[in-house]
Amino acid sequence: AQSVTQPDIHITVSEGASLELRCNYSYGATPYLFWYVQSPGQGLQLLLKYFSGDTLVQGIKGFEAEFKRSQSSFNLRKPSVHWSDAAEYFCAVGALLMDSNYQLIWGAGTKLIIKP
Amino acid sequence: DGGITQSPKYLFRKEGQNVTLSCEQNLNHDAMYWYRQDPGQGLRLIYYSQIVNDFQKGDIAEGYSVSREKKESFPLTVTSAQKNPTAFYLCASSKSKALFGSPLHFGNGTRLTVT
Repeated sequence: AQSVTQPDIHITVSEGASLELRCNYSYGATPYLFWYVQSPGQGLQLLLKYFSGDTLVQGIKGFEAEFKRSQSSFNLRKPSVHWSDAAEYFCAVGALLMDSNYQLIWGAGTKLIIKP
Repeated sequence: DGGITQSPKYLFRKEGQNVTLSCEQNLNHDAMYWYRQDPGQGLRLIYYSQIVNDFQKGDIAEGYSVSREKKESFPLTVTSAQKNPTAFYLCASSKSKALFGSPLHFGNGTRLTVT
């Protein structure tokens, strides 16, 4: 069955330090991959997406993610975090299901805490 | 600015009452969705609609109902049959009818508390 795993429930990073949030998926074909960010009490905003082509994709707010087919991963990175990056981050996989419907499968999220 | 408006932001109801959550979009998107979010869990799809007057059940449709009479509007009713209705509800839309690869645009959510 298709699934998305974000192994870290919380991550704490010092302001200015680099960041990597992990995302692993289980899906038989090449998936459509997304990262979304959610500030407290708000909806989600798309950070970046991967459909095909270059496996390193750039997104908004200085984020990037790399698709590694051999590892079934799509990790999110940022070279230097800012206090405003504190939020919850969700990885999602677009998958074609058995009934030919396309659906987004979501990870449980990783909460990013920034230390001053 | 185009976007999705969910109202109200906070909603309180007594157990046994039906309640309707509003979702309006002015993005001219064909597809609209309702998700439920609980702490420590990913988003779970309740219902989605790819076109006016048509909608499909998602993974957790039991105890919920929707309508799509206008392209802009996709209200969600949480009925008394929903066993555990207290949650954060998110409405979203996407341009593509087929959902395929089309990013979602989200509203700011409605937090429903049922006591």
